[in-house]
Amino acid sequence: DIQMTQSPSSLSASVGDRVTITCRASQSISSYLNWYQQKPGKAPKLLIFAASSLQSGVPSRFSGSGSGTDFTLTISSLQPEDFATYYCQQSYSIPQTFGQGTKVEIK
Amino acid sequence: EVQLVESGGGLVQPGGSLRLSCAASRFTFTSYWMSWVRQAPGKGLEWVANINQDGSEKYYMDSVKGRFTISRDNAKNSLYLQINSLRGEDTAVYYCARARTSGRDYFGMDVWGQGTTVTVSS
Repeated sequence: DIQMTQSPSSLSASVGDRVTITCRASQSISSYLNWYQQKPGKAPKLLIFAASSLQSGVPSRFSGSGSGTDFTLTISSLQPEDFATYYCQQSYSIPQTFGQGTKVEIK
Repeated sequence: EVQLVESGGGLVQPGGSLRLSCAASRFTFTSYWMSWVRQAPGKGLEWVANINQDGSEKYYMDSVKGRFTISRDNAKNSLYLQINSLRGEDTAVYYCARARTSGRDYFGMDVWGQGTTVTVSS
């Protein structure tokens, strides 16, 4: 199975900050990397697919980059509604696997 | 609005069974791979199973193989997960989700239901 490791596990940031979350795969997954946002008690929401493609309706302050084993989710200017947990997921092979999550909290 | 609505969760004893359902609306159900994903209390997301458009291809995580069965009824726009021989570690919110695909390339899950809770306890 491909292991997905996110860092950090949590971070504190202020509104307006630039935030970067990284995700590392245990083997190459090309660009089969997706990012989700989840708020408490809610279903996940797809933000980025295929490493860098913005899902329809997602604000442009979210961006993704990377290929192979190392990926990044960037929020260019953190907004109050962005405080949530973020997950990466590889869809390169079965079983599809998620990272452990990164909780973004208010500083 | 595109929608997925799960049902069928509940409290069940270890070794018991449940059938989860997911009703799809406002999109062409027959065009999409579908998935089940679960989340144990306070934990992260865990992919459970996938099924292709006509139900001829099914994939499962190792720990549920032989106990869980994913299926679909395209005439009813519905996805199902039959879960048998339940264990405490199966306690979770179960989400159905629509897969974003291009050919055989899978690009994540772009529509999610609200989830249905399965609690395994004696």
